Amino acid sequence: DPKIIQKPKYLVAVTGSEKILICEQYLGHNAMYWYRQSAKKPLEFMFSYSYQKLMDNQTASSRFQPQSSKKNHLDLQITALKPDDSATYFCASSQIGGKEQYFGPGTRLTVL
Amino acid sequence: GEQVEQLPSILRVQERSSASINCTYENSASNYFPWYKQEPGENPKLIIDIRSNMERKQIQGLIVLLDKKAKRFSLHITDTQPADSAMYFCAAQIASSSFSKLVFGQGTSLSVVP
Repeated sequence: DPKIIQKPKYLVAVTGSEKILICEQYLGHNAMYWYRQSAKKPLEFMFSYSYQKLMDNQTASSRFQPQSSKKNHLDLQITALKPDDSATYFCASSQIGGKEQYFGPGTRLTVL
Repeated sequence: GEQVEQLPSILRVQERSSASINCTYENSASNYFPWYKQEPGENPKLIIDIRSNMERKQIQGLIVLLDKKAKRFSLHITDTQPADSAMYFCAAQIASSSFSKLVFGQGTSLSVVP
């Protein structure tokens, strides 16, 4: 049973469009994160959330907007997509007070 | 600075020998150092970690060493097997909060050849 679900697994989009990447975790964790992995930058932190509140944002562009409707959900909305946004986006989670972060299976985004 | 440097980027070893990967970090406030293994098309999986109150940790054939003075930590895989072939990433976490970001090294592609 996957404990962190990311949807979709693969996503193809055209330049200028908007997409939402879905993440749900069933580990009982109360902190969630987004990371991006591309050929240029192996694993790069984007956001952290705890109890649906933004804790840290290292993404320079406002085109990336996390959305948390429930404690165990953290979606990522990306607007005005560019080819440079092509990457695999990983959601991760951890327990507050714990250190270990566990990664979901990822969404591989290709922007044409 | 927050950078984590990881070397080597490519490592090829004979089966049953040892493999070593080294990382250095900049921020002296870092207090947690995990290692992740990533196979092609898969997510990074946590394989071992060490906290700043330790110098050495071993889980079966995996050994992690931490030298806080030198801001250096390393992963040693003993008795390597072809199944150990993968990308390995080190990371460092700063102590400011429990949900601090992980800063990753650039990765090491390990190949274990028969």
